[in-house]
Amino acid sequence: EVLLVESGGGLVKPGGSLRLSCAASGFTFSRFGMNWVRQAPGKGLEWVSSVTPYSSNIDYADSVMGRFTISRDDANNSLSLQMNSLRAEDTAVYYCTRNLKHFDYWGRGTLVTVSS
Amino acid sequence: EIVLTQSPATLSLSPGERATLSCRASQRISSGLAWYQQKPGQAPRLLISDAANRATGIPARFTGSGSETDFTLTITTLAPEDSAVYYCHQRYNWRSTFGQGTRLEIK
Repeated sequence: EVLLVESGGGLVKPGGSLRLSCAASGFTFSRFGMNWVRQAPGKGLEWVSSVTPYSSNIDYADSVMGRFTISRDDANNSLSLQMNSLRAEDTAVYYCTRNLKHFDYWGRGTLVTVSS
Repeated sequence: EIVLTQSPATLSLSPGERATLSCRASQRISSGLAWYQQKPGQAPRLLISDAANRATGIPARFTGSGSETDFTLTITTLAPEDSAVYYCHQRYNWRSTFGQGTRLEIK
């Protein structure tokens, strides 16, 4: 069974940093592209970042470019998102998703709240 | 950036009826469109990929169609558990975008 479990969310002050993690199991992690997608409270879905197998290609939404860094650890089947210079508008549930043409598996998400 | 526009914003139908949800892309994306269902408090679930391919375990009541700029998700014989928000999504180019969602209410 494919499982994606996010962790690392919490309350952080504006300008602060947070690192999210996603533990993957039930599939050969290294063979799949992975993504972060977020959803602000009561709002729609927003793609944040993607990384291909072997980290050969990485991309970010304009809204997080230069502040967020995605990375993967294939040895430990994990995906991370380092978030710096956080803003109130980054408040959202952050989902880890797997690529198979589209996002075929999603974790349950971890809530990030940016507030003073 | 490819913009996806969904309509209607809200749809209210009765059990047994048919729902038709639309997604329009701002540029041609071939068949590179997916549909997701999201219920309150849950993560989205993939329903349809490549415009028309049902994901594993998705009932045949859910049908996707369309290509290039105009796409449709049809749900026949609506059931109470179909009440959810439905999103379209494109990965035609590397940078994904989502539609704003259609809220389907079952009366």
